Amino acid sequence: AQSVTQLGSHVSVSEGALVLLRCNYSSSVPPYLFWYVQYPNQGLQLLLKYTSAATLVKGINGFEAEFKKSETSFHLTKPSAHMSDAAEYFCAVSDGYSTLTFGKGTMLLVSP
Amino acid sequence: SAVISQKPSRDICQRGTSLTIQCQVDSQVTMMFWYRQQPGQSLTLIATANQGSEATYESGFVIDKFPISRPNLTFSTLTVSNMSPEDSSIYLCSVEEDSVYEQYFGPGTRLTVT
Repeated sequence: AQSVTQLGSHVSVSEGALVLLRCNYSSSVPPYLFWYVQYPNQGLQLLLKYTSAATLVKGINGFEAEFKKSETSFHLTKPSAHMSDAAEYFCAVSDGYSTLTFGKGTMLLVSP
Repeated sequence: SAVISQKPSRDICQRGTSLTIQCQVDSQVTMMFWYRQQPGQSLTLIATANQGSEATYESGFVIDKFPISRPNLTFSTLTVSNMSPEDSSIYLCSVEEDSVYEQYFGPGTRLTVT
């Protein structure tokens, strides 16, 4: 069985500050890991994915995530937050057979 | 990446009625998925729809309530039957492009049942 835990349902940062969204996973096999972003009233957009290549993964819009097997983590970071980053972020894990399990999501709030 | 459209984008329906949601992809894909996102919640997989076979439903979802069709490699429908207010959710379809291990999502259908 696989599962995802996202710490913090809401994270607030100031514009220009570091963004850190936490994700821990559980998987019985080497996982595939994903971060998706959902803007209000829209579907999900893939930010980045880890598929057993480089442990530091770079995505769109300046986001990156680091796969740490020893910590079973896949935290999402961005050095400098922008107002347009305000959205809900979902971490997801797959066992490689296409079933995606999503975390509960973290709402990122960016203040000027 | 695949471009996915859904119809309708939103609807308000009365309890006891049914709504069919359409999902169209701009390329041929083997695997399509239907998810439900209840208000303020994460995504829950309803079923996997592969062309040429019966849909595979996740625990807690049944074909009588959520019948799915997959007539070809670019199209699928999900019907929400005998609706109740508890069915008020966003319904999203997604596709997995072959050998990519990532899913692309449609914009969702926002359903309100009164």
